[in-house]
Amino acid sequence: GQNIDQPTEMTATEGAIVQINCTYQTSGFNGLFWYQQHAGEAPTFLSYNVLDGLEEKGRFSSFLSRSKGYSYLLLKELQMKDSASYLCAVRALGGYQKVTFGTGTKLQVIP
Amino acid sequence: GAVVSQHPSRVICKSGTSVKIECRSLDFQATTMFWYRQFPKQSLMLMATSNEGSKATYEQGVEKDKFLINHASLTLSTLTVTSAHPEDSSFYICSARALRKEERHYGYTFGSGTRLTVV
Repeated sequence: GQNIDQPTEMTATEGAIVQINCTYQTSGFNGLFWYQQHAGEAPTFLSYNVLDGLEEKGRFSSFLSRSKGYSYLLLKELQMKDSASYLCAVRALGGYQKVTFGTGTKLQVIP
Repeated sequence: GAVVSQHPSRVICKSGTSVKIECRSLDFQATTMFWYRQFPKQSLMLMATSNEGSKATYEQGVEKDKFLINHASLTLSTLTVTSAHPEDSSFYICSARALRKEERHYGYTFGSGTRLTVV
């Protein structure tokens, strides 16, 4: 099975940097995703990590350590529109490669 | 890019009736469709995984006779909530994995979701 943990809520200031952590335990790992979800909408893809290290994409970066079962999403130059839930998801190895989501972190960006 | 069309976006039904939700992959063939349910202020919970032409695999605790999944073609998967009750009210969303590797988006492709309200 899989167990994925994230903080429930975070608050950060516009223009600042915020790091959202995710820890996971899984019997077979085949990649970790980060998604952004605004209330009432479908999740949108942000990043994908399968190897250790940092993946940077504009204001968003994602880091993975497979040995530690740890990832974080880094958001720079925060904007008000970044207020949303951020979902960490892990893909299983083999079979249908199903993706299991963590509890999600609700980020509030304040002026 | 890859698009999954999900319909209806919102539906209100009476308790005891059935509701069908459709997900169509518009510009790619989806070998696998994942169906999720999301209650307010909670994350997405995987309900079942379906492969074209075969029976769906349900997660523990999900009633297969209540949530009927059909994946009859590589572009269409349906979820039918049978004999719906108020506790089935939720946000249902599908996610597709492309058949062809070159069409495969790492993040899979989500439908826009269906808000089901059972009264």
